[in-house]
Amino acid sequence: DTGVSQNPRHKITKRGQNVTFRCDPISEHNRLYWYRQTLGQGPEFLTYFQNEAQLEKSRLLSDRFSAERPKGSFSTLEIQRTEQGDSAMYLCASSPRLADSTDTQYFGPGTRLTVL
Amino acid sequence: AQRVTQPEKLLSVFKGAPVELKCNYSYSGSPELFWYVQYSRQRLQLLLRHISRESIKGFTADLNKGETSFHLKKPFAQEEDSAMYYCALGGSQGNLIFGKGTKLSVKP
Repeated sequence: DTGVSQNPRHKITKRGQNVTFRCDPISEHNRLYWYRQTLGQGPEFLTYFQNEAQLEKSRLLSDRFSAERPKGSFSTLEIQRTEQGDSAMYLCASSPRLADSTDTQYFGPGTRLTVL
Repeated sequence: AQRVTQPEKLLSVFKGAPVELKCNYSYSGSPELFWYVQYSRQRLQLLLRHISRESIKGFTADLNKGETSFHLKKPFAQEEDSAMYYCALGGSQGNLIFGKGTKLSVKP
């Protein structure tokens, strides 16, 4: 499967614990995006990378959220001191960044986080 | 502010009937609009984008800048069209701004 992959697919954690999600984009896609989707809502943009550079992080929901893409390939999203309100589906998408216009984004299956 | 509005949470039609999923946007510049679809147990995928002006699976969408709309249409709905449909606006950083989605149910 050459699509975007995300691990784990499901994560159940207790309030206050830290969690980390991984996203592997389509090979050679230099843009990688993270979104969060809660019940009844569309995906909400969190942050994105152009290669290893994080070009936007002001949309991260709080300072408990951080993301990395150290070698410009896979990315991780970490949530520290989780809260019940963090329960959501976390989506990753990648795009080739071929033009100045908005490129087609290819989404992963998501990681569903449940905070007890 | 950049915003996408999909007024219908659920749209139910019979097979063979026409379908129109509404989408309105708010954007000060020249918008890029998309429709993404999520079939049951599958990932979100692009259905069509206004730049390409393609017809995908019989669906079309026309950008109406005067009405700030990008409604999705299909003349004859099929059962396999049942899915969640999201309208999205291209943001200033290449990100997507999504509406809340419309669940389309096509009944036999």
